Amino acid sequence: KAGVTQTPRYLIKTRGQQVTLSCSPISGHRSVSWYQQTPGQGLQFLFEYFSETQRNKGNFPGRFSGRQFSNSRSEMNVSTLELGDSALYLCASSFSYRVPEGQTQYFGPGTRLLVL
Amino acid sequence: AQRVTQPEKLLSVFKGAPVELKCNYSYSGSPELFWYVQYSRQRLQLLLRHISRESIKGFTADLNKGETSFHLKKPFAQEEDSAMYYCALRAGGRSGGYNKLIFGAGTRLAVHP
Repeated sequence: KAGVTQTPRYLIKTRGQQVTLSCSPISGHRSVSWYQQTPGQGLQFLFEYFSETQRNKGNFPGRFSGRQFSNSRSEMNVSTLELGDSALYLCASSFSYRVPEGQTQYFGPGTRLLVL
Repeated sequence: AQRVTQPEKLLSVFKGAPVELKCNYSYSGSPELFWYVQYSRQRLQLLLRHISRESIKGFTADLNKGETSFHLKKPFAQEEDSAMYYCALRAGGRSGGYNKLIFGAGTRLAVHP
């Protein structure tokens, strides 16, 4: 089975711009979660999507948004970029969103975003 | 508050020495704990989880609810164990999905020859 893929792998933007990142989950997985990884804050949960609906959300401003398509692929968007948005953005896929125990999440390689 | 604490940023040991990576958590519900590992230039991957009670690559971790800890242990470290290790707590449920992971800050394990 192919793993979780993320595109693009690297991105450079300037302040004020917006950016869209893409994530393709493992075939058959319908839940996609997004995380931000920075040296200062570590790994932080952004949001989770299942069946094209946001199921859970972390503590990030409204500039961070996402969506999921009918084929389970997901995108996240950051509008009005700030320098502090520079980070590695990871997505993770799993089979479902309401399995309380024993479910593994598989992570993609990440998209490294640099905001200048 | 839901929180995962890994007190050591760096743990440096020699090959063959025992290793213990510490993890403490704060969670009001019934926790599900994981250890994830990230080797150099590789993606984050699951190492083990408490409900499996298994040993992976010689690593074990026992959930201690009394001490709210989930320390990762290996009796004899190998150079290939050098990596970044993250302890994670699976939160969520109730109104949301179950796949929200709360990560600790991570501990870099360096195993020297």
